[in-house]
Parts: sequence; structure tokens; C-alpha cells
Amino acid sequence: EAQVTQNPRYLITVTGKKLTVTCSQNMNHEYMSWYRQDPGLGLRQIYYSMNVEVTDKGDVPEGYKVSRKEKRNFPLILESPSPNQTSLYFCASSRAGVTEAFFGQGTRLTVV
Amino acid sequence: AQSVTQPDIHITVSEGASLELRCNYSYGATPYLFWYVQSPGQGLQLLLKYFSGDTLVQGIKGFEAEFKRSQSSFNLRKPSVHWSDAAEYFCAVGAFGGGGNKLTFGTGTQLKVEL
Repeated sequence: EAQVTQNPRYLITVTGKKLTVTCSQNMNHEYMSWYRQDPGLGLRQIYYSMNVEVTDKGDVPEGYKVSRKEKRNFPLILESPSPNQTSLYFCASSRAGVTEAFFGQGTRLTVV
Repeated sequence: AQSVTQPDIHITVSEGASLELRCNYSYGATPYLFWYVQSPGQGLQLLLKYFSGDTLVQGIKGFEAEFKRSQSSFNLRKPSVHWSDAAEYFCAVGAFGGGGNKLTFGTGTQLKVEL
């Protein structure tokens, strides 16, 4: 089954404790992105990748890192999480070109 | 820069009634438009998309949307709403090529269905 898998689905952590949210897709897609969803703001792009070892900032990259060492994986790293990063995070993947994106199930992160 | 406006934050309809969710976009080139639905605790599911061609597009679950270039709109419709349609709906415009196929989303419309 074609899918984008995120882990964990839920995470509560403390301020400053490094964490990684994993994202994996099995569709051999070139493009992958991370979004965060906040009430009243919709979804905003954090980082994206257009190929292995090619990543770039989206609209709200502060406080986040990503890497793309393999085509299928695109982890989101918060090296020193803060409460304002409490949010619902989605990973997405797509082929290059005019096409639709496939989304993971989301990761609800709470930073206390 | 592209933007999407969903003017209705909350909408309540009775089961069996018709539904129209509004979406207006701003984009400098040919827009690629999407509607996604997010059920409670779930991820985003694509309802329908418009890339080109017929301006009335059909999607899943009985939804349709009409692209009107003159009004910069892409409104979502359903003739008869079911209680299971209660969810949050997002309109999005896609920028392809640079930006990793970035989607710009509206702020969402929360649909409540009264039985």
C-alpha cells in the first residue's frame, strides 16, 4: 500500500530535549516536505527536499533541521524544542512535476 | 506570493442539506488547486484537484468543486451532506517546481452536521 508513515503519532517532551520525528514514504517520490498545522493558521511549510542531499527552508524553518540521506526518509529534528513548537506536524511526499501530495497521519507534539 | 482565503471558519448544516465551502486564491500563474479533508484525529485526505481542463471537477465522497478564474475561486460543493462529512476542510494552491511542490493552505473551515 502506498503510504507516508510518521512516527511517533503523539509526543510530549520538555523544553530543550532534542527529538526527531521520522517520516518514510514507499512511493519512490522525489519531493518531500514538512508542514506544521496550528489553529487559525492552516498548514505552513517548514522544510522541503527535492532529492537526496537537497533540502531547503520553507516558510517557518526557525528551530528545525532536516536531512535527506536516503530517498525514502526525511526526518524532522528539533534540537532544542520550545513551547511555541507545540503543534501538529505533517510529512508529505510527491513526484516531481504537477501532481498531488500524499500526507502522513500527523504527529502531535507537545513541548512543556 | 500565493495565498488562499477560506472566509468561513465554521459552518453548520443539517444532514441532507446542500453544502458550499468557499475558497479564494491569489496566484500569479496558472493555479493548481486542491481540497483536502481532515477528520478528527486523522491525516489529510485529498478530496479533489484541479490542474486544467473542465472547470467542474468531481471528487470522492460525492464532492465537487468549480474553478472560476474570473472570481479567483474554487468552491467546494456537495448536494446532500451526511453526518460523516463533519470534519475540517482545507483549500490549497500548489506551486510546482521550486519549493518542492509547496502547497499553500487556507486556514480551514470546520463543518458541523446537525442530525
